[in-house]
Amino acid sequence: NAGVTQTPKFQVLKTGQSMTLQCAQDMNHNSMYWYRQDPGMGLRLIYYSASEGTTDKGEVPNGYNVSRLNKREFSLRLESAAPSQTSVYFCASSEANNSPLHFGNGTRLTVT
Amino acid sequence: SQQGEEDPQALSIQEGENATMNCSYKTSINNLQWYRQNSGRGLVHLILIRSNEREKHSGRLRVTLDTSKKSSSLLITASRAADTASYFCATVSNSGYALNFGKGTSLLVTP
Repeated sequence: NAGVTQTPKFQVLKTGQSMTLQCAQDMNHNSMYWYRQDPGMGLRLIYYSASEGTTDKGEVPNGYNVSRLNKREFSLRLESAAPSQTSVYFCASSEANNSPLHFGNGTRLTVT
Repeated sequence: SQQGEEDPQALSIQEGENATMNCSYKTSINNLQWYRQNSGRGLVHLILIRSNEREKHSGRLRVTLDTSKKSSSLLITASRAADTASYFCATVSNSGYALNFGKGTSLLVTP
């Protein structure tokens, strides 16, 4: 039982490059989330998916897109990376809203 | 916008002492949750307290909730060096969906 798995663990991009962060959970959770964590800012919600087939914007969605590929997988895509997107990205899942979140160990992204 | 705010931002204590962290939030909530984050790792859920509960215990953790003041506290008793981590409170407003996190309290427990 791996919980929430994120890949890659580290990534360096040049401005303008694109990439997709992958996330998978094996707990049969309905809801999945993408957060970013920056020093002094805490965690901010980028996008979430309440259930398979639905996605909604969070607090900071600009510059990102998401895909809920199936119940297990929720990916985050940066189409044209910018230095402001340098951050640590966390994927999380939960049985439902208001339920405890289970987090992956994060992807550390640097955009130069 | 962030719903919860922790206080203090940083706390340094010695092993065996108690550590108290506070959280204030802005709107009506369904529940409030506390998480721990060790350096370089994801957050781990510690405890959930519902809006109709006033106090909850889990091992060395004690959480209180005062909905009239829109505040919560997390008490770690008899702290250990392994408790060194950042601690976050998180809430979902009654009109919202996903958890909103505060900026966290960084706890350092020295032997």
